[in-house]
Amino acid sequence: SQQGEEDPQALSIQEGENATMNCSYKTSINNLQWYRQNSGRGLVHLILIRSNEREKHSGRLRVTLDTSKKSSSLLITASRAADTASYFCATKASGSARQLTFGSGTQLTVLP
Amino acid sequence: DGGITQSPKYLFRKEGQNVTLSCEQNLNHDAMYWYRQDPGQGLRLIYYSQIVNDFQKGDIAEGYSVSREKKESFPLTVTSAQKNPTAFYLCASSTTGGYWETQYFGPGTRLLVL
Repeated sequence: SQQGEEDPQALSIQEGENATMNCSYKTSINNLQWYRQNSGRGLVHLILIRSNEREKHSGRLRVTLDTSKKSSSLLITASRAADTASYFCATKASGSARQLTFGSGTQLTVLP
Repeated sequence: DGGITQSPKYLFRKEGQNVTLSCEQNLNHDAMYWYRQDPGQGLRLIYYSQIVNDFQKGDIAEGYSVSREKKESFPLTVTSAQKNPTAFYLCASSTTGGYWETQYFGPGTRLLVL
């Protein structure tokens, strides 16, 4: 089963509004990453947050991590139509494993 | 330009046929990965390689094979044993220098069965 599960599965908002996506995971992690995928394309890395960090910012992106609840959220502020894409969280488990485990994604639609 | 390329963009497979998907990177990354993505779903790991001449099975390796003879290349063969191969296949690469590696993805290959 997927380590990370995003919520909601789909989100539709108006341009200028904020979008919040959540990710829950099951095991101890070293870091959690968020990726974006435009339809029919590869994934693009957005932001990484380490297990000892609680919040991180990058431009219009804000990521939080709560390791006690095994959850993370991605906030996109002042959304634009170009933000329309699928967003995936990916976790890197603690220990020597190098693989990432991806969630099933949130499909974000920003209406102009 | 540095990056990761996949070819072809679309691939058609006939019954009982093996097909090979190409993945090349010029990022000087040691690690490479193959994922499968089904419609509306996340990525599932097929195989990964951390160094030349070494690779490990992921979560869904059955019906697939890989090789890693060169650092830059990590081809994936979808064999006739894979009964449901229709999917979007993504290749990725990363460094192995620490625990915070991010992955760089290619544009993907869509495999369809005739």
